[in-house]
Amino acid sequence: KNEVEQSPQNLTAQEGEFITINCSYSVGISALHWLQQHPGGGIVSLFMLSSGKKKHGRLIATINIQEKHSSLHITASHPRDSAVYICAVGAGGTSYGKLTFGQGTILTVHP
Amino acid sequence: EAGVAQSPRYKIIEKRQSVAFWCNPISGHATLYWYQQILGQGPKLLIQFQNNGVVDDSQLPKDRFSAERLKGVDSTLKIQPAKLEDSAVYLCASSFRSRGDTYEQYFGPGTRLTVT
Repeated sequence: KNEVEQSPQNLTAQEGEFITINCSYSVGISALHWLQQHPGGGIVSLFMLSSGKKKHGRLIATINIQEKHSSLHITASHPRDSAVYICAVGAGGTSYGKLTFGQGTILTVHP
Repeated sequence: EAGVAQSPRYKIIEKRQSVAFWCNPISGHATLYWYQQILGQGPKLLIQFQNNGVVDDSQLPKDRFSAERLKGVDSTLKIQPAKLEDSAVYLCASSFRSRGDTYEQYFGPGTRLTVT
């Protein structure tokens, strides 16, 4: 079993739909990261959170430390949101920010 | 603020050849990471530097991969000799300590390597 599991692996939506991507992890963490990767492009950090909820534009990320679970929500989805969304967890202590990644969720939003 | 720079962006080589990738992190970032991302998978950490010292290289195939970060700034990752299974995107990232044990990582555009 991977330390970081994402679901679903693939997600197709129509423009305007509300989207949820889930992430579960099995290790202790100092922070959880949501990352976005466009085809052929590098990785962009969307959120880093260690508790509660963060919002940026149409994106919302939540984390439940007790349940070791996080969700990324996209409201009013748009075709430009099509990308791979990756959940990653950072260990604390002397790991200096080392991240363990999920396998990614491929999101396709159709107009 | 300039981002993490990587070169080349694309490289095609034949198996058993050698290849080197270069990374210039964001100025002032002490921690530098090299990741390998195989198509359809999440990135896998190959090596992590703190300044010019290695923090973690447990998943680096040391028989063929090597990396260095001289003077604690730029870094190079080398593969010698390359195998077909090394075809992947090689990502470089750098980070700074933001609060407590949390680090904000910034990723470069990656180098797409194809081994034929």
